[in-house]
Amino acid sequence: GNSVTQMEGPVTLSEEAFLTINCTYTATGYPSLFWYVQYPGEGLQLLLKATKADDKGSNKGFEATYRKETTSFHLEKGSVQVSDSAVYFCALIGNDYKLSFGAGTTVTVRA
Amino acid sequence: KAGVTQTPRYLIKTRGQQVTLSCSPISGHRSVSWYQQTPGQGLQFLFEYFSETQRNKGNFPGRFSGRQFSNSRSEMNVSTLELGDSALYLCASREVGEKLFFGSGTQLSVL
Repeated sequence: GNSVTQMEGPVTLSEEAFLTINCTYTATGYPSLFWYVQYPGEGLQLLLKATKADDKGSNKGFEATYRKETTSFHLEKGSVQVSDSAVYFCALIGNDYKLSFGAGTTVTVRA
Repeated sequence: KAGVTQTPRYLIKTRGQQVTLSCSPISGHRSVSWYQQTPGQGLQFLFEYFSETQRNKGNFPGRFSGRQFSNSRSEMNVSTLELGDSALYLCASREVGEKLFFGSGTQLSVL
């Protein structure tokens, strides 16, 4: 079946540092890829998505590029803020229309 | 539009009891899906309903069941609760396309 593997946390950074969260996937066909974010005490929100190879999703300074050759969808942000502290989930929807999530990566940004 | 509403927000039950969680989707959304979030397993897909029919199901035992009503509201039921059922249960709704809108979740604690 489909699966998503993302780097384990927790990740602790200083403000303005560069953030990368690795995500790789296993799926048949051509899945759509997503990053979701969960801020403390809140539900999940869609952060960005990409639906085909070489697409780049971007939002709030975050970017991720759909790399079919490496089956990856790494999340990056050039300069993080304290408000970016959250749990980040990589996810995919495959041909079966089920949403599969990675384990989540907790990111803490210190002032 | 109001967002996805889940009730109750918190719930405490004892082993062997059963519980029913409720989810009201965004108005106009006909698809409702349920997820279990635990620290150890991350986010896992439970099932999805569309127009009162179960369209997809994850790998959970038969103690986990759900239904959807004609107004698209959905309920999830867990019978014979076990300690391991303690989790955050998230509901998400969508209309066409893949973008999911999540509720804030119901935090279930089984004692």
